[in-house]
Amino acid sequence: QQQVKQSPQSLIVQKGGISIINCAYENTAFDYFPWYQQFPGKGPALLIAIRPDVSEKKEGRFTISFNKSAKQFSLHIMDSQPGDSATYFCAASNFNKFYFGSGTKLNVKP
Amino acid sequence: DVKVTQSSRYLVKRTGEKVFLECVQDMDHENMFWYRQDPGLGLRLIYFSYDVKMKEKGDIPEGYSVSREKKERFSLILESASTNQTSMYLCASSLGEGYTFGSGTRLTVV
Repeated sequence: QQQVKQSPQSLIVQKGGISIINCAYENTAFDYFPWYQQFPGKGPALLIAIRPDVSEKKEGRFTISFNKSAKQFSLHIMDSQPGDSATYFCAASNFNKFYFGSGTKLNVKP
Repeated sequence: DVKVTQSSRYLVKRTGEKVFLECVQDMDHENMFWYRQDPGLGLRLIYFSYDVKMKEKGDIPEGYSVSREKKERFSLILESASTNQTSMYLCASSLGEGYTFGSGTRLTVV
């Protein structure tokens, strides 16, 4: 049973557009929700993370929106750039153990 | 920056071989993890360790074992490699929040 469900599997966005990736979880014990960005040939790298006591966190063009009651969180990439083309993973954790979504391959077209 | 080094980027092994995947981190992290990454399945936890000599099974431990003799080194062992273990293997370490991943080892079992 997948602990974290991620959608869409792939996403194509025009340069300057907004990319939105969604995740849902079931376990209310999760207390940390990071997003990872992975470029081909590299390991995933931490992009941005949120805890459930806030509803939104913004870092530059990247924003996490968190809905505790719906058990959902999403990544918004504003003004998407070709350099943002990568695979994005959401994750949820408690007690240092992480569960990852299945990943979203983002392609930003110039 | 924390560095997690995986000894091989690409490996090709034969069915039935015993395979060792090595991972070393340089920041004195307590926690280390082994994941495998497969398209459409995301990252799945194989084994993890919170201390030297300690190991815990993750979600898919069958066919694998691990060794942690020193804090900085965490080895994944495929006892008898099979073709369904062809995958990208990612090692990660953490002190608390967030993982630092290695660049991965792409293993092909023929």
